[in-house]
Amino acid sequence: DSGVTQTPKHLITATGQRVTLRCSPRSGDLSVYWYQQSLDQGLQFLIQYYNGEERAKGNILERFSAQQFPDLHSELNLSSLELGDSALYFCASSGDLNTEAFFGQGTRLTVV
Amino acid sequence: DQQVKQNSPSLSVQEGRISILNCDYTNSMFDYFLWYKKYPAEGPTFLISISSIKDKNEDGRFTVFLNKSAKHLSLHIVPSQPGDSAVYFCAAGYQKVTFGTGTKLQVIP
Repeated sequence: DSGVTQTPKHLITATGQRVTLRCSPRSGDLSVYWYQQSLDQGLQFLIQYYNGEERAKGNILERFSAQQFPDLHSELNLSSLELGDSALYFCASSGDLNTEAFFGQGTRLTVV
Repeated sequence: DQQVKQNSPSLSVQEGRISILNCDYTNSMFDYFLWYKKYPAEGPTFLISISSIKDKNEDGRFTVFLNKSAKHLSLHIVPSQPGDSAVYFCAAGYQKVTFGTGTKLQVIP
């Protein structure tokens, strides 16, 4: 158990809909990362927050947004969903900016 | 723009032999490097890291080598065990962590 909790574990939704994925980082970790893993693809970095502030942005679509709350949990919002958004979405947390990150189990999103 | 590349999507090794997983990067600003291991239906788990000021780091059966001039790092697993069968991701960090596409290692008993 990495200490990072992601909910829900599975999500099936229709095209055009909006979903929210939630991540609770390890206790004390200030940094939260979101990654997308599509079928047969590597881990694509989406966005990073550090202590509530956006720290770095990757290839995150404009239809996607994220935030980190004062209690350090984070949410990833995906809207106007398309079939191609079906993927595993991982959240990771780390205590510092330059240390290893610990990953949650992921949320498997299926858009039908 | 793939800044971290793992050019071998898969690798098969006999149990007891050495597994060598390779990774190349393009961004000279990266100052730390990590290897993660991922089993199906699980999140990646951290394996070993190396700072850019070092060229080798060992942890049990796992050794990571860094060649900064070649912008290349490798993970050596000796001896390989069937339980090592997984997808291995290398990652490089500078402000944010960038992952490679992964190499699927199969250790044959």
